[in-house]
Amino acid sequence: DQQVKQNSPSLSVQEGRISILNCDYTNSMFDYFLWYKKYPAEGPTFLISISSIKDKNEDGRFTVFLNKSAKHLSLHIVPSQPGDSAVYFCAASAPQAGTALIFGKGTTLSVSS
Amino acid sequence: SAVISQKPSRDICQRGTSLTIQCQVDSQVTMMFWYRQQPGQSLTLIATANQGSEATYESGFVIDKFPISRPNLTFSTLTVSNMSPEDSSIYLCSVAGTVYGYTFGSGTRLTVV
Repeated sequence: DQQVKQNSPSLSVQEGRISILNCDYTNSMFDYFLWYKKYPAEGPTFLISISSIKDKNEDGRFTVFLNKSAKHLSLHIVPSQPGDSAVYFCAASAPQAGTALIFGKGTTLSVSS
Repeated sequence: SAVISQKPSRDICQRGTSLTIQCQVDSQVTMMFWYRQQPGQSLTLIATANQGSEATYESGFVIDKFPISRPNLTFSTLTVSNMSPEDSSIYLCSVAGTVYGYTFGSGTRLTVV
C-alpha cells in the first residue's frame, strides 16, 4: 500500500511557464513533507519542505502548498528553467524522532527551451 | 547540512557474490537510513541503522540478505549478499537533517549479471 503517491510519472513544460507537480498521501500521521530533486547518477537533493502546521512555504522560484483536508501537496516552480529538468520526489515523515522518509515514485520534469 | 561520501558509485557484479557499500558522514549522526530504488520505483527504506545496536529492517528485507554495520557515529556499511539480477538497483544512504531536510549520499548503482 503506497502511502505517498505521485500519479503523474512525467510532466513537460516550456521554459518560463509554471510547473506544477502533485503528490497525495494517505497517512494522516505524517507531519512533515519534503520535495527532493534527483539528477541521473546523483543522490536526491533536498529542495523544499513544509510542516503540517503550514499551508504554504516559498523559497525563490519554488513554492509548496499543503492541503491537509485533501491530503494533497503540490510543488510549483515558476518560472521553469531547463536546468529544472530532473526527477522530483515527494516525501513524508511521521512525528516520531528519527523516522525515515516515505517516498513517492517520482515525477520526471522536462523543461524545454 | 551533513555531507555524505558514498562508495562505490557503481559496480557490476556476478550473481551469487556480495557487495559492500560504504557511507561516511562528515558529522556524528545517531541514525542512518539505507534505501533502495529499483528501476521506475520510489525510494524504499531497507533499514534504519543506529550506532551500537542492531539495525531495524523493514518488511521484506532481512539481515541475512542485507547485513548492516554501524561501528561509529560517522560510518555505516550495507552489504548486498548472494546477489541476483533482481538486486540490480540504486542503493542510497541517508541521514536526518534539521532545517535542511534529510541528506542523501550520491548513490551506488548496482548491476548484477
